[in-house]
Amino acid sequence: GEDVEQSLFLSVREGDSSVINCTYTDSSSTYLYWYKQEPGAGLQLLTYIFSNMDMKQDQRLTVLLNKKDKHLSLRIADTQTGDSAIYFCADSRRGNLFFGTGTRLTVIP
Amino acid sequence: EADIYQTPRYLVIGTGKKITLECSQTMGHDKMYWYQQDPGMELHLIHYSYGVNSTEKGDLSSESTVSRIRTEHFPLTLESARPSHTSQYLCASSGLLTGMGETQYFGPGTRLLVL
Repeated sequence: GEDVEQSLFLSVREGDSSVINCTYTDSSSTYLYWYKQEPGAGLQLLTYIFSNMDMKQDQRLTVLLNKKDKHLSLRIADTQTGDSAIYFCADSRRGNLFFGTGTRLTVIP
Repeated sequence: EADIYQTPRYLVIGTGKKITLECSQTMGHDKMYWYQQDPGMELHLIHYSYGVNSTEKGDLSSESTVSRIRTEHFPLTLESARPSHTSQYLCASSGLLTGMGETQYFGPGTRLLVL
C-alpha cells in the first residue's frame, strides 16, 4: 500500500540465510518496521529501525537501511522451518503505518 | 507482549445478518485501527481512531462502521453481511514509545466467512 513494495515469495533451504527486501518512496519516513505473520494469526512486531541508522542487529536478525535508495532489508541468519511466515515491512508517516504487500517465506527442510 | 484481543476468532454467518467484531486493548493506547486482509496477503486500512469519540475512514472504502466510546474498545459493525465481506479483519493499537516511534500492536484477527 501507498508505494511500499516487496517481492511476494522467497524460498530458502533450512540453515541458509534469508534476505527479504523492501522499497519505499517517502523520504519523510521516521521509523521502519518488520512484522511477521504466521498462519491464522495477527502481525507480530519483529524489529524496527530509526531512519538515521543504517544497520541494526538483533540475534539472528539484521536490518539494513539505505536511506538514499529508500531500500530496507531483513536478513535472517540460519533460517529455520519456524521462520516460515509472511513478512511485512512498514514505514511510519503522518502518524500511521504504511505496509508493504508482504513476502511469503518458505523454508525447505 | 501486546495485550490486544479480538473476538470471535472465526465467524461463519449468512447473508443479511448484522455482525459486530470486538477489539479490546489493555495498554491504554489512544490510537486504534482496523485492517482488512485479502487472501492474497495485502493489508488494507479501513478505519482508525485517534481516541474516544474519534473515528476516521481508512484508505480502503468499507461498508462497515466503527465506534470508540471507551479508550480500550473499538468494535466494528456490519449492518448486513454479504459474501464480498468474507475476509480476515485485524485490529491494532499504537502508542508513542520512546525510541520506537508509533509502533502498532496487532490482535490475532477475526476470520469472517459470509455464506
